[in-house]
Amino acid sequence: QQQVKQSPQSLIVQKGGIPIINCAYENTAFDYFPWYQQFPGKGPALLIAIRPDVSEKKEGRFTISFNKSAKQFSLHIMDSQPGDSATYFCAASLNNYGQNFVFGPGTRLSVLP
Amino acid sequence: NAGVTQTPKFQVLKTGQSMTLQCAQDMNHEYMSWYRQDPGMGLRLIHYSVGAGITDQGEVPNGYNVSRSTTEDFPLRLLSAAPSQTSVYFCASSSVSGGGNTIYFGEGSWLTVV
Repeated sequence: QQQVKQSPQSLIVQKGGIPIINCAYENTAFDYFPWYQQFPGKGPALLIAIRPDVSEKKEGRFTISFNKSAKQFSLHIMDSQPGDSATYFCAASLNNYGQNFVFGPGTRLSVLP
Repeated sequence: NAGVTQTPKFQVLKTGQSMTLQCAQDMNHEYMSWYRQDPGMGLRLIHYSVGAGITDQGEVPNGYNVSRSTTEDFPLRLLSAAPSQTSVYFCASSSVSGGGNTIYFGEGSWLTVV
């Protein structure tokens, strides 16, 4: 029940395309859903996050769509660029605190020029 | 502007050896944690601390030990290294204020146990 499932495992798109990464969770007590971006050789960094009281959040070219009834959320990257090539992790947390985060297995995104 | 600093960046150990991964943060965060990252498994929580003198186990604590004597430092000890502990280790910190919902990660420590 603590798991967060993530798909696809890897994704290749052309520059300008809109990659979509999907996540699903079981525990309805989760109340915070962040996405982390990780470049090779670096630690993950917070990209965008959403709470279950909204269905969509946009920050620049990044959008989270959230479906509370389906217990699913997804990341959309508009007008993707080669610089967006990275591994993306979805996560879910209880009580907002860092020690209670559960991460998905990650999606390796490649954006071709 | 240091954030979370981990050392060493790379380490090769022989089976049975012990070592300590160092972690320090300069953001005065209450919460600190250690994760390991393995291919296809995402980030898994090893141990965490909610403040100086307080630690607790995460999802995969076996073979690891932690202590939190100061707010800034949170070292991770491998007691007797095993090949299964070959992984990338990330230290992280977060704050209670503002909901404590942003984790700041270090740049990682690549550990190989042979």
